[in-house]
Amino acid sequence: GQQLNQSPQSMFIQEGEDVSMNCTSSSIFNTWLWYKQDPGEGPVLLIALYKAGELTSNGRLTAQFGITRKDSFLNISASIPSDVGIYFCAGQLWSAGGTSYGKLTFGQGTILTVHP
Amino acid sequence: NAGVTQTPKFQVLKTGQSMTLQCAQDMNHNSMYWYRQDPGMGLRLIYYSASEGTTDKGEVPNGYNVSRLNKREFSLRLESAAPSQTSVYFCASNRLDQSPLHFGNGTRLTVT
Repeated sequence: GQQLNQSPQSMFIQEGEDVSMNCTSSSIFNTWLWYKQDPGEGPVLLIALYKAGELTSNGRLTAQFGITRKDSFLNISASIPSDVGIYFCAGQLWSAGGTSYGKLTFGQGTILTVHP
Repeated sequence: NAGVTQTPKFQVLKTGQSMTLQCAQDMNHNSMYWYRQDPGMGLRLIYYSASEGTTDKGEVPNGYNVSRLNKREFSLRLESAAPSQTSVYFCASNRLDQSPLHFGNGTRLTVT
């Protein structure tokens, strides 16, 4: 099956610093998604990317869908304590006329710790 | 503003016991899913229901059964729990295929 490698596995940063994490795949995806998971809760969608080369921002978050369709990155600018959590990338693949029905492939997650 | 609701939040079972995890969504979504989350492995799809009345296996279906009771509810059953099924289980839903998933807050299951 498809494999997603997400890096780094963990990050320890100071408040105010910028953060960058990325995912690479052995095969292409049609959609890249970035989720954040707070302790004791389910993943919450941050950004969805639907087109190769697409660059999308959501507040202090910026994500890009790699031109090769095999990678994506997420940047967080000027981190704050509430950015703490686990960040997951996820890829989705479907073919024209086909379905993917939730068959997301998830990365292993990046654990972010922000020191005040 | 409930979204996806899962019950129970926590459960401890002994090997061989059975239980059903409940999930309900109030967003009128067509498709529902069950994932499990294990350390270092991200989330893996157990079963999904593309629409009311249909269910299909995901990546790791062994040891589980599901029921799409109606459009709102999708349950996951463990007939004979095993320690390997110790995990955090997430239910998710989406309106249409290829649209982003919305997740519940999870059920933390321990099988001893």
